[in-house]
Amino acid sequence: QQQVKQSPQSLIVQKGGIPIINCAYENTAFDYFPWYQQFPGKGPALLIAIRPDVSEKKEGRFTISFNKSAKQFSLHIMDSQPGDSATYFCAASSTNTGNQFYFGTGTSLTVIP
Amino acid sequence: NAGVTQTPKFQVLKTGQSMTLQCAQDMNHEYMSWYRQDPGMGLRLIHYSVGAGITDQGEVPNGYNVSRSTTEDFPLRLLSAAPSQTSVYFCASSRWGGRKINTEAFFGQGTRLTVV
Repeated sequence: QQQVKQSPQSLIVQKGGIPIINCAYENTAFDYFPWYQQFPGKGPALLIAIRPDVSEKKEGRFTISFNKSAKQFSLHIMDSQPGDSATYFCAASSTNTGNQFYFGTGTSLTVIP
Repeated sequence: NAGVTQTPKFQVLKTGQSMTLQCAQDMNHEYMSWYRQDPGMGLRLIHYSVGAGITDQGEVPNGYNVSRSTTEDFPLRLLSAAPSQTSVYFCASSRWGGRKINTEAFFGQGTRLTVV
């Protein structure tokens, strides 16, 4: 059973567009929600993370929106660039289990110049 | 710092063969883990360790063994390879602050394994 559900599976946007990737979870014990970015042939790398005590977090062009009541969170990429083309994974973990992460299935993003 | 180093990068095995995937980190991280990445499945945790001499199972441990004799190394052993173990394997490490703290995971570049 997938603990974290991610959509869409793939996304194509024009340069400058704002792709949005959504994730949903059921386990209310989850209290840490990172997003990882993966380029072809590379390992995932942490992009941005949020805890449920805030509804939004921004780092540069990347924003996480978090809706605790709906158990959903999303990644927005402002002014997207071709260099943002990658696979994005959301994840969730609980402080009760430390660093044991549950990952979404990934979204392949293509930004067209 | 090299970060997390995995070897080999590519491997082809025959069904029934055994092999060890190597993982080493130079960040003095206590927590290390192995994931497998399959299309449409995301990353799934195989085994993890919170320090030398301590290992535990993740979501999909069957068919894999691990050991942790040093802080730096965390090898993953396939006992008798099966086609279902064809996957990309990632090793990750992070600081361990106990079960009340989440910390950033640093991933290696992966090992692409094909079992025929």
